Amino acid sequence: DADVTQTPRNRITKTGKRIMLECSQTKGHDRMYWYRQDPGLGLRLIYYSFDVKDINKGEISDGYSVSRQAQAKFSLSLESAIPNQTALYFCATSDPGLASDTQYFGPGTRLTVL
Amino acid sequence: AQSVTQLGSHVSVSEGALVLLRCNYSSSVPPYLFWYVQYPNQGLQLLLKYTSAATLVKGINGFEAEFKKSETSFHLTKPSAHMSDAAEYFCAVSDRGGTSYGKLTFGQGTILTVHP
Repeated sequence: DADVTQTPRNRITKTGKRIMLECSQTKGHDRMYWYRQDPGLGLRLIYYSFDVKDINKGEISDGYSVSRQAQAKFSLSLESAIPNQTALYFCATSDPGLASDTQYFGPGTRLTVL
Repeated sequence: AQSVTQLGSHVSVSEGALVLLRCNYSSSVPPYLFWYVQYPNQGLQLLLKYTSAATLVKGINGFEAEFKKSETSFHLTKPSAHMSDAAEYFCAVSDRGGTSYGKLTFGQGTILTVHP
């Protein structure tokens, strides 16, 4: 079984709809991250959480919100989706106990907003 | 603030040729540096990482990278390309300062094409 899972893997929605992307991990890591990937822009950080009670904005948090329901679960919500939120979304985890704090990525969710 | 620049959004090589993907970074503290690979329709997989030990880092699938502080570079190389190396490659630098320790900043990515 994969260590970091994301659901759904693909989603098509309409402008103005609320949508939630979910991430679960079995690695036991405290830290979790949400990124979006756009062609030619690499990955950009949306939100990150260093433990259940800690939520921080990344560089592109406008239009997004998150919820850390448990150590293993970190959800990303688009309250009112717009077409320029069409992208590939990745969840990642890391363990601060490791000196290099390597991040491990889920398979991604491809979101299309019409 | 830290940043990463990958020179060349597309690189094309012949099978068996040298692969060189360029990455330059900016960081106010000694960095941790990473290369990730993304195969089509998949997530990112760690290729290798530099964490202030040996400056020449060996990774999976025959890739290696050399940390050069004087040049602020961390270029990725492989002596002989294989068709299966075709993918997108991302260089990243880790924030080692203050409360945001562990955050990654990614480069724009380089798509590697390998032709027969």
